[in-house]
Amino acid sequence: DIQMTQSPSLLSASVGDRVTINCKASQNINKYLNWYQQKLGEAPKLLIYNTNNLQTGIPSRFSGSGSGTDYTLTISSLQPEDFGTYFCFQHNSWPTFGSGTKLEIK
Amino acid sequence: QVQLKESGPGLVQPSQTLSLTCTVAGFSLTSYNVHWVRQPPGKGLEWMGVIWNTGGTRYNSALKSRLSISKDTSKSQVFLKMNSLQTEDTATYYCARDQGYPYVMDAWGQGASVTVSS
Repeated sequence: DIQMTQSPSLLSASVGDRVTINCKASQNINKYLNWYQQKLGEAPKLLIYNTNNLQTGIPSRFSGSGSGTDYTLTISSLQPEDFGTYFCFQHNSWPTFGSGTKLEIK
Repeated sequence: QVQLKESGPGLVQPSQTLSLTCTVAGFSLTSYNVHWVRQPPGKGLEWMGVIWNTGGTRYNSALKSRLSISKDTSKSQVFLKMNSLQTEDTATYYCARDQGYPYVMDAWGQGASVTVSS
């Protein structure tokens, strides 16, 4: 199975900051990488699919990039409502989620 | 409006079988795939399996021997059955719909909390 190493596990940032979250796969996942945001007590919410496609209704401050084994989610200007936990999800082969990044607002 | 809602018992005894139902609205199960994903308390997400719009299935290899996913398209329901439950199966269980691309889950249910305990 493909292992997804997500970093950092905890991130504290201020409103207006540029934030990046990384996922590294144990092998090439051919850009089959989605990003989800989850708030406490809620279901995950799709942000980005297949590396760099913004889901409908998601603000343009969210973007994704990457190729091969290395992928990044970027929030260009952090907003208060962006707190939560972010998960990557690879679906190149047997689907697996990353371990999550908890984003706290300073 | 696309909706998914999980239902089932909140408590299951060890070694017993879990049965969950995902009732959907706003789309047809003959056109969209539906996944099951679970999340133990305070932990990360685990993909469990998918039932394709065609009726075929694919399961997480770690769960394959215990898991079965089926559907009744006329009732707009997807079913999850998992046997030999243990305490580590305690989790919130979500059903989720593919957006159109496979494995791009864009609509999720609220989740069903399941506790495995005697």
